[in-house]
Amino acid sequence: LAKTTQPISMDSYEGQEVNITCSHNNIATNDYITWYQQFPSQGPRFIIQGYKTKVTNEVASLFIPADRKSSTLSLPRVSLSDTAVYYCLVGGGNNRLAFGKGNQVVVIP
Amino acid sequence: DVKVTQSSRYLVKRTGEKVFLECVQDMDHENMFWYRQDPGLGLRLIYFSYDVKMKEKGDIPEGYSVSREKKERFSLILESASTNQTSMYLCASSLGGGQANEQFFGPGTRLTVL
Repeated sequence: LAKTTQPISMDSYEGQEVNITCSHNNIATNDYITWYQQFPSQGPRFIIQGYKTKVTNEVASLFIPADRKSSTLSLPRVSLSDTAVYYCLVGGGNNRLAFGKGNQVVVIP
Repeated sequence: DVKVTQSSRYLVKRTGEKVFLECVQDMDHENMFWYRQDPGLGLRLIYFSYDVKMKEKGDIPEGYSVSREKKERFSLILESASTNQTSMYLCASSLGGGQANEQFFGPGTRLTVL
């Protein structure tokens, strides 16, 4: 398993951009970086996936530096409904994907 | 839309009972997974399956077994339920061809073992 390290929790005000970092020092050459979002009483939901540089979709952006030992999920202009747990996963190549404990993001009015 | 359904949202069993948790997906996915989720521990993988009759142990397989007789159905079995198996159980499925493929989750089964 590729170990990932995320902050346990963070708060943000409504309308701000939120950046969530994840460290993954033992990422393998053929591993991907994937982020999921989980609301209370629901299963996780896929947000975004990348291999290197930057990936953007309608929900978020994912920034991956050249060494790929970390990544940053960026949520633009968060709303109260973005309050959730965010999981960073690394794997799919030599390492099996593992969810870990995630990062609780609370959006404050 | 992919749909993953789980047989029960809530289940209460007694210690020593045999418990079956069923999961069905309707998108012809090759991969299926069983996780448990506990406060402060995140999601932990119990078992996964890449194909019919195939199974692989995850991180915490002790006390559990699985069955995949048909592609769309993946069952988690607690041979003799214990109180430390009280948890939220989540099933997921994904396309084959890569472990990083997007996983689609069911609503979860909250199991209480008394």
